[in-house]
Amino acid sequence: GAGVSQTPSNKVTEKGKYVELRCDPISGHTALYWYRQSLGQGPEFLIYFQGTGAADDSGLPNDRFFAVRPEGSVSTLKIQRTERGDSAVYLCASSLDRGPEEKLFFGSGTQLSVL
Amino acid sequence: AQSVTQLDSQVPVFEEAPVELRCNYSSSVSVYLFWYVQYPNQGLQLLLKYLSGSTLVKGINGFEAEFNKSQTSFHLRKPSVHISDTAEYFCAVRGIQGAQKLVFGQGTRLTINP
Repeated sequence: GAGVSQTPSNKVTEKGKYVELRCDPISGHTALYWYRQSLGQGPEFLIYFQGTGAADDSGLPNDRFFAVRPEGSVSTLKIQRTERGDSAVYLCASSLDRGPEEKLFFGSGTQLSVL
Repeated sequence: AQSVTQLDSQVPVFEEAPVELRCNYSSSVSVYLFWYVQYPNQGLQLLLKYLSGSTLVKGINGFEAEFNKSQTSFHLRKPSVHISDTAEYFCAVRGIQGAQKLVFGQGTRLTINP
């Protein structure tokens, strides 16, 4: 595809359930980022992958949140025991990771609603 | 650590009027600065960025921004707005060294009235 693809676009779940959010970056992009955007706020950094490894996971709020990128392309953000406060738009972005001049491409996000 | 403050949560303007969206940042290290735009039901798109050199940077769709180091500001301007500029605008910073992550402001909703 031409851009960063995130699925599903909308996810409704019940408190306490487990969810997985998927991100397909642009082909060849080695850097992948997850951000969370709560209503009325700017995106907040969660985790950054260089290839298959998490280079910076300092933004993950607690151990209920986990992300993987096993083959260096598709990434999955996993949330265990969801809470109502996890409701937000989860954004994925990718880039070629050759420096700050590299453009970051964002997906349209997954709207997660925890009831 | 860095932080970004966008001083206006909403800015309504009339079509063809000029607009300025304000952004101030705080950082203990040198930073790169960015403006992103989010149109309804679309992903964030880069408008412009300041990495080094001239403090006046020009971006897409006729927008420009000026980096003011002494005032720690990076205000976004457009001399004449169009209905299609209606969107949410986010200012962001990143440290020159170290962490790759962007720190975003809260966003400014620009509404253009005919």
